[in-house]
Amino acid sequence: QKEVEQNSGPLSVPEGAIASLNCTYSDRGSQSFFWYRQYSGKSPELIMFIYSNGDKEDGRFTAQLNKASQYVSLLIRDSQPSDSATYLCAVTPAGNKLTFGGGTRVLVKP
Amino acid sequence: NAGVMQNPRHLVRRRGQEARLRCSPMKGHSHVYWYRQLPEEGLKFMVYLQKENIIDESGMPKERFSAEFPKEGPSILRIQQVVRGDSAAYFCASSLQGPDTGELFFGEGSRLTVL
Repeated sequence: QKEVEQNSGPLSVPEGAIASLNCTYSDRGSQSFFWYRQYSGKSPELIMFIYSNGDKEDGRFTAQLNKASQYVSLLIRDSQPSDSATYLCAVTPAGNKLTFGGGTRVLVKP
Repeated sequence: NAGVMQNPRHLVRRRGQEARLRCSPMKGHSHVYWYRQLPEEGLKFMVYLQKENIIDESGMPKERFSAEFPKEGPSILRIQQVVRGDSAAYFCASSLQGPDTGELFFGEGSRLTVL
């Protein structure tokens, strides 16, 4: 079992709709959870982090964490073509190295 | 304020040669990480260093790969006797605090092609 799992996609979303991305992790002791965005050929950039159960909103992004289910998600509201990228879920298992999932590719169609 | 600087951005080597990738962290950051990314795949952790110390090298192949972060100068990822399977993008990241509390800032990557 992979430490951090994501659906590779592509997730195709009409412009203006909500994109919903999911991520599961295997280490129950994980403390910190991050979402990075990576445009093709570019470096990853942090867009959200969440440490506690529940929702955290930042602009058009909402991160949701459920530690009991070992599940973290990212919602992108009012999706724009510029949101087309690969979204990487990253988890810090019990204070150890930051571990990334394989990423979900999102395509927002005008 | 310069971000994480990596060089070279692109490197071509023939099988059996050595590759040296350099990373200068953001100013004030003492935590450095190296990740490898194959096409269409996620980032695979290789090594985590603080000044002069290797903290976690659990993702480093046992042979041919080494990393350092000297007191002065950039962090170096060294790959000896490269093989075609080493072709990948190598990303360096730095953080102000450790990996469980801080944001990692990534460089633009060094893309290694082994002929």
